[in-house]
Amino acid sequence: DVKVTQSSRYLVKRTGEKVFLECVQDMDHENMFWYRQDPGLGLRLIYFSYDVKMKEKGDIPEGYSVSREKKERFSLILESASTNQTSMYLCASSLRHSAYEQYFGPGTRLTVT
Amino acid sequence: AQKITQTQPGMFVQEKEAVTLDCTYDTSDPSYGLFWYKQPSSGEMIFLIYQGSYDQQNATEGRYSLNFQKARKSANLVISASQLGDSAMYFCAMREYIIQGAQKLVFGQGTRLTINP
Repeated sequence: DVKVTQSSRYLVKRTGEKVFLECVQDMDHENMFWYRQDPGLGLRLIYFSYDVKMKEKGDIPEGYSVSREKKERFSLILESASTNQTSMYLCASSLRHSAYEQYFGPGTRLTVT
Repeated sequence: AQKITQTQPGMFVQEKEAVTLDCTYDTSDPSYGLFWYKQPSSGEMIFLIYQGSYDQQNATEGRYSLNFQKARKSANLVISASQLGDSAMYFCAMREYIIQGAQKLVFGQGTRLTINP
């Protein structure tokens, strides 16, 4: 059974804190993605990675960075959290040339106060 | 760049009725794929159905079917015989090639479907 897990379901952080969101997949997928979900905007791509140590900016990378040191793990980093980064964060993975679906984790609801 | 539009923020339907969720798309690529995902209140995204641009027939998966009208650039999801468990957020998405063979999904705004008993 395919599995994408995220380190936290709910997270509350203070403005200015450094925040790490972790994502792990056990399907040996090459591609991993971080999306942000906001009401009325759907999901928007923050960063993705197509291989270990390889990363590319998505549509809204500002204020975020990522790390992929191992194939199964993809981390999203908020260097200095701000209130406008309060959102739902979803991780996904897929095979390199997959024309079909991405597999999603359960999401992390982050609140920055 | 691809764009997906879902014009129904919310839909309310009686149990056992059929429901159609609208999705229109815009792309200049001749080859593309369209997806529908369901997101229950628990938050996970559940893949429902896929339609390729060259597929001759509309995709179907159990109670889900995709009404694909290429000329109108629409890909509506039809749920037959709705159930209470169908209450969720529904997203239409299109794949977009990015780099190194990887593909991202471009999502619409979503439609919140509520099934009334």
